[in-house]
Amino acid sequence: ETGVTQSPTHLIKTRGQQVTLRCSSQSGHNTVSWYQQALGQGPQFIFQYYREEENGRGNFPPRFSGLQFPNYSSELNVNALELDDSALYLCASSSSRTGGWNEQFFGPGTRLTVL
Amino acid sequence: DQQVKQNSPSLSVQEGRISILNCDYTNSMFDYFLWYKKYPAEGPTFLISISSIKDKNEDGRFTVFLNKSAKHLSLHIVPSQPGDSAVYFCAASNFGNEKLTFGTGTRLTIIP
Repeated sequence: ETGVTQSPTHLIKTRGQQVTLRCSSQSGHNTVSWYQQALGQGPQFIFQYYREEENGRGNFPPRFSGLQFPNYSSELNVNALELDDSALYLCASSSSRTGGWNEQFFGPGTRLTVL
Repeated sequence: DQQVKQNSPSLSVQEGRISILNCDYTNSMFDYFLWYKKYPAEGPTFLISISSIKDKNEDGRFTVFLNKSAKHLSLHIVPSQPGDSAVYFCAASNFGNEKLTFGTGTRLTIIP
């Protein structure tokens, strides 16, 4: 069983540019969540996708957007990059079902540096 | 507004002793609490959780205690082992809602 994978591992961009980060969910998982972890902070929830639809969003501006594909892989897009967007971006997948806690499995993250 | 707080950025404990990591929360709507462990260059991995209907949950060397009136939880690791050296995050949620609110983490170092 393959775990959650993310690409690329590291990325350097300049202010104002756009970036796309990718995540492959664990096999059998239909839900993906994205988190931003700034240096010295805990991960912050960006949004979640369930069966290709956005299913909850944290306190992030609209220039943070996402997609989930039919195979449940996902992308995080950030437009008009700002210096404060420099962070580790984590993807987590889970298999949503009713009546129970759905454990989230995290990928290793993408380290984004904005210069 | 930090709804989940871990006030100790770091903790050092001798191998074999007990490690106690603390976490406080402010949002009384949280009813499910989790601890994650994170090694460098890896994503957080789930360690143990507790529902607000309980005050204690054990899993091997790991025990989580929840004090709802104080809005406080703690993770006890006994005995501590060198492989426990990592950053530990406390997280809170509403059961059934997978949005996690994390604390800032505590770096635990186990001294051989």
